[in-house]
Amino acid sequence: GAGVSQSPRYKVAKRGQDVALRCDPISGHVSLFWYQQALGQGPEFLTYFQNEAQLDKSGLPSDRFFAERPEGSVSTLKIQRTQQEDSAVYLCASSINSAGSYGYTFGSGTRLTVV
Amino acid sequence: KQEVTQIPAALSVPEGENLVLNCSFTDSAIYNLQWFRQDPGKGLTSLLLIQSSQREQTSGRLNASLDKSSGRSTLYIAASQPGDSATYLCAVRSDYGQNFVFGPGTRLSVLP
Repeated sequence: GAGVSQSPRYKVAKRGQDVALRCDPISGHVSLFWYQQALGQGPEFLTYFQNEAQLDKSGLPSDRFFAERPEGSVSTLKIQRTQQEDSAVYLCASSINSAGSYGYTFGSGTRLTVV
Repeated sequence: KQEVTQIPAALSVPEGENLVLNCSFTDSAIYNLQWFRQDPGKGLTSLLLIQSSQREQTSGRLNASLDKSSGRSTLYIAASQPGDSATYLCAVRSDYGQNFVFGPGTRLSVLP
């Protein structure tokens, strides 16, 4: 597609519920990133994929967070047993190559509110 | 570990003023640096990308400079307009990693 698409745009979850956030990167983009942005702060890195391989998951805050990109295109970020501190905007970005020489394109994000 | 700071945290200026936003990073071993704009409730829009070998990039009324040795980048906005009101984020990609490290952003308000 023309841009990075994320769904849903908004998600309200009850504490303890599992959620799944979807990212459709730009077609053909090799690299895919997930970031978490708390209110009033800059985005923080969660995880990175090169094609279907998850090369870096050092930013995932706990083992309740899990990401996959099984066919090297669409990615899903799953959060199990959501907690209030998980409330944030989750941003997905993609890059045409693994070097990132052309920068990154971000989606509009999914705003997760845990109540 | 790369750390990125931005000054000021917030800025309010009258329409028509030229202004400078500052970004500092602790590790000069960077691959590139990207400036983004974020409108309230929206995602990030890329403004300018500077490679580590470049000194500056220009797009319209925007000019970004990079001084690797001092760990600084500035975003210059000429003749500011109310439509420039947004949060501006600086993001640094280091030589040794794939991901960007973001600063906390500068919240800009341009008053008509």
